[in-house]
Amino acid sequence: AQTVTQSQPEMSVQEAETVTLSCTYDTSESDYYLFWYKQPPSRQMILVIRQEAYKQQNATENRFSVNFQKAAKSFSLKISDSQLGDAAMYFCALKPWNNDMRFGAGTRLTVKP
Amino acid sequence: GAGVSQSPSNKVTEKGKDVELRCDPISGHTALYWYRQSLGQGLEFLIYFQGNSAPDKSGLPSDRFSAERTGGSVSTLTIQRTQQEDSAVYLCASSLESSSYNEQFFGPGTRLTVL
Repeated sequence: AQTVTQSQPEMSVQEAETVTLSCTYDTSESDYYLFWYKQPPSRQMILVIRQEAYKQQNATENRFSVNFQKAAKSFSLKISDSQLGDAAMYFCALKPWNNDMRFGAGTRLTVKP
Repeated sequence: GAGVSQSPSNKVTEKGKDVELRCDPISGHTALYWYRQSLGQGLEFLIYFQGNSAPDKSGLPSDRFSAERTGGSVSTLTIQRTQQEDSAVYLCASSLESSSYNEQFFGPGTRLTVL
């Protein structure tokens, strides 16, 4: 079975500060990808960043970076220099090679001006 | 180019009625996915299509739910005899193929309300 757990239903951050969103997962597969998606009020899911499980190096995309701890099955998202436009629901997702994508319950991020 | 589109954007129906939700994937994408997102929840996988292969229906919650994909492009999710618990946002996504290495592109969803 594949599961994804996001233990923080809500988080808030001051504009220009840094925030870290947590995600843990479980899978018996050795080949998988991990994703963070952002869902603003428009409902449109947008890919933020992805990580290949076989890569040890943490993925980065501009202000977004991950801390991938494979042994601990942890995949947290760090947002640096937070902007008002970062406010959204953030979903962590696990996609094993031969299985469906599984999403966490999401973390609602509020950015305070 | 055009992204994934879904119609209608909102649908209100009465309990017991049938509804059809439509998804137009990105041209050239062979994989298509349907998810359900209940209020304040994550995404629940429903079904996916990969090319001409038989669809993976393992996520469909009951036999009232069905989906088809015509000509490898447009897909329709049908919910028969709708119930109030079917109220949710239904999201469609497409990707080049269903392997892990391909990003899923999502549509804006259809918000279904069953009265």
